[in-house]
Amino acid sequence: GQQVMQIPQYQHVQEGEDFTTYCNSSTTLSNIQWYKQRPGGHPVFLIQLVKSGEVKKQKRLTFQFGEAKKNSSLHITATQTTDVGTYFCAGGTYKYIFGTGTRLKVLA
Amino acid sequence: DGGITQSPKYLFRKEGQNVTLSCEQNLNHDAMYWYRQDPGQGLRLIYYSQIVNDFQKGDIAEGYSVSREKKESFPLTVTSAQKNPTAFYLCASRVLGQGAGAEAFFGQGTRLTVV
Repeated sequence: GQQVMQIPQYQHVQEGEDFTTYCNSSTTLSNIQWYKQRPGGHPVFLIQLVKSGEVKKQKRLTFQFGEAKKNSSLHITATQTTDVGTYFCAGGTYKYIFGTGTRLKVLA
Repeated sequence: DGGITQSPKYLFRKEGQNVTLSCEQNLNHDAMYWYRQDPGQGLRLIYYSQIVNDFQKGDIAEGYSVSREKKESFPLTVTSAQKNPTAFYLCASRVLGQGAGAEAFFGQGTRLTVV
């Protein structure tokens, strides 16, 4: 079945450093969504990418969808302590699958 | 206020008991999902439903059952056959389709503990 892997599993950064998480699907995705889950909370939608090669920015966050629509990345520039949490990618039209997630810790 | 409501927030179950987790949405979404999350882990799909009176097994359906008698409701029963049920359970709903608005909306989750 479809699998969505993310790397790295964990990332500790000093505040102000950049952070990137990579998402890889075993099958081609029609679109991909990204979510953030704060500790103890539920996932909250960040953005959706639809087109091959698409790049979208939200302030310090940059999202990219691969040309083959099988991979995606999230890059955070100059991390802040408020960026702490787990970042998930997700995809699927009916069977909606989440990636394994990347847990980010930011050290002040 | 539109959204998804899960109840209870915390649930304790004795071994051998069945328990039912509630999930209600008033977003008029067709699709509903149940995920299980273990500490420090990702979201694993238990069951999903695209339409009333129809549902499909996800990746870890063994020991769980669901029903979808109403569009708004998608309760999950954790049966005694589930050997390790202690986890955080999340319910989600979304509009079906590939365009804008396909993001999932989540409830606050239910933390189930076997005692």
